Formats: sequence, structure tokens, C-alpha cells
Amino acid sequence: AQRVTQPEKLLSVFKGAPVELKCNYSYSGSPELFWYVQYSRQRLQLLLRHISRESIKGFTADLNKGETSFHLKKPFAQEEDSAMYYCALVNQAGTALIFGKGTTLSVSS
Amino acid sequence: DAGVIQSPRHEVTEMGQEVTLRCKPISGHDYLFWYRQTMMRGLELLIYFNNNVPIDDSGMPEDRFSAKMPNASFSTLKIQPSEPRDSAVYFCASSPSGARVYGYTFGSGTRLTVV
Repeated sequence: AQRVTQPEKLLSVFKGAPVELKCNYSYSGSPELFWYVQYSRQRLQLLLRHISRESIKGFTADLNKGETSFHLKKPFAQEEDSAMYYCALVNQAGTALIFGKGTTLSVSS
Repeated sequence: DAGVIQSPRHEVTEMGQEVTLRCKPISGHDYLFWYRQTMMRGLELLIYFNNNVPIDDSGMPEDRFSAKMPNASFSTLKIQPSEPRDSAVYFCASSPSGARVYGYTFGSGTRLTVV
């Protein structure tokens, strides 16, 4: 079965602290994963694609096939990082994204 | 390009009324997706189209929901009759080639409230 699990509904950290948003997946074969971010009441925006191994706004994510994880990390959180973060997996057919339930990140000073 | 355009941004309607949500995908994108976002269930895929043809509607909750894509630049999601539990944010998204490589581009969503 194809599934994305984000175990934390809410993650609260202080400004400057490290952040790790967890994402685990279930997939047969080589997965393709994304992270999307949604700022308050706005549209979802693409943050990261695992195939490009890029760093956006200081965030990185590494695919760990052994642990079936794609955790999102940032060494020093900023208040403007407060948002909802969704991990997404491309379905087996390659046609649609399966989303986790999302994690709300709250960064306070 | 103006991106994926959804209308209306907000809709408040009474239970039992028909509701129609609209979406204009990015020009040249062959795939269009409808998602529903709620606090309890997160983002659920309702239906998606490829070249205006519905490919998978297994996420449509029940017969009260229907979606059409009469041409490459327009899609509608209709709920008839609406119920309070349909209250959610409905997102439309489009992509040039399914979900691989670039994922998709989302619209701003329609916040539906059924009272």
C-alpha cells in the first residue's frame, strides 16, 4: 500500500532551535517524494523535491530508503517558518500525489 | 502565467443547496486535480483528469459530488445537495505531466462553509 505518515500534528520550537519534521512512507519500488508548505490560509507551495537534493529557505530533506523516511530539517528555525508542512509521495502510476496529514510548525521567539 | 485560478475564494451556502466550484489550470498543463482539505483528514485527492478525461474518481465521497472538465482550460466540482460535513477548503492543482519531477501547482483554494 502507498501511504505517507507524518506522526506529529504540531511541532513547537523556539527561534534559533533546530527543526526536524518527520515523514515516513510506504511504497513498493523507488519512491519519489516532495515537501509542500502552506502559510496561513494560502495555497500550498512546493518546498523541496528529493530528486533535486536542493536546499530551499535553509531546509533540506534526505531520502532514507532503509528507514523509509524523508524527514525535513533546518538547523536554525525562524519565526517566518511557522506554517503547515505536508510530505507527499508520487503514486505507483506516477500520476498523482499522496499527502500525509501535515504537521503544523510553530516557531516562537 | 497567472497560475491556477479558483473561484470563488469563499462560499457560504445553506444545507441542501447546490454548490459549484471552478478551476482554471495553467495553460499547457495536461493534468488537473481536485483535493479537499480538512483538519481531521488533511488533504484528500477527490478526482483527477488527464487531457480532460477523468482518470480516477475513487476519492469522490459520494454521489452528491461530481466533477467535469469540458475543455483544457476549465473544470468544475459540484456538490448537490450540500451538507454541513462538506465544509472544507477545496484545492485545484495542475501539472504538465502527472506528479513526477515537478509535483504540481496549486490554486488558492475555495473555502466552503455549509450551514
